[in-house]
Amino acid sequence: GESVGLHLPTLSVQEGDNSIINCAYSNSASDYFIWYKQESGKGPQFIIDIRSNMDKRQGQRVTVLLNKTVKHLSLQIAATQPGDSAVYFCAANNFNKFYFGSGTKLNVKP
Amino acid sequence: DVKVTQSSRYLVKRTGEKVFLECVQDMDHENMFWYRQDPGLGLRLIYFSYDVKMKEKGDIPEGYSVSREKKERFSLILESASTNQTSMYLCASSSGGSGSGANVLTFGAGSRLTVL
Repeated sequence: GESVGLHLPTLSVQEGDNSIINCAYSNSASDYFIWYKQESGKGPQFIIDIRSNMDKRQGQRVTVLLNKTVKHLSLQIAATQPGDSAVYFCAANNFNKFYFGSGTKLNVKP
Repeated sequence: DVKVTQSSRYLVKRTGEKVFLECVQDMDHENMFWYRQDPGLGLRLIYFSYDVKMKEKGDIPEGYSVSREKKERFSLILESASTNQTSMYLCASSSGGSGSGANVLTFGAGSRLTVL
């Protein structure tokens, strides 16, 4: 199996600052990871993914870092905007099954 | 815009009622999934399907069943609803295969079920 946890249930940042959301997983066999964003009243939306053969992947204003040694990944959001306010959670895939963390609620203060 | 559509956004049912949650995807995806989402517990997999008329149990199948008669439609059934099944239910689909993005789950907006 797999156990996925996020380090902080809530994170508050000032608009314009960078945000870092962390996630830990337990199974070294997990080989694919996805970050999702869930806004209030909506289903989770794909943000960015990374495979275990990579350490870093960048998207538009987002970067995911994967440290397989300590089984940790992080989502960095540059220049955080009010529209980034949401719950963020990571998912780890092993043997074609996804395991989800419970999420970090990101609050962006104007 | 590709979509996973859950027909009921909010439902209120009584204990013992039979409940149907419908999910339709328009992406011709092979795989479909039902999760429930509860505070502090993350998403937990109830059932999934890799093909028409095929189903597999997830981590918490007790009290639920599913039906997949057509590729685009995956239904979750609560035969006799109980209060501990009050939750947010999320349907998802993925294309499957080995290509890039094949395992990415696309989610519906969710169905919030309250059982009284």
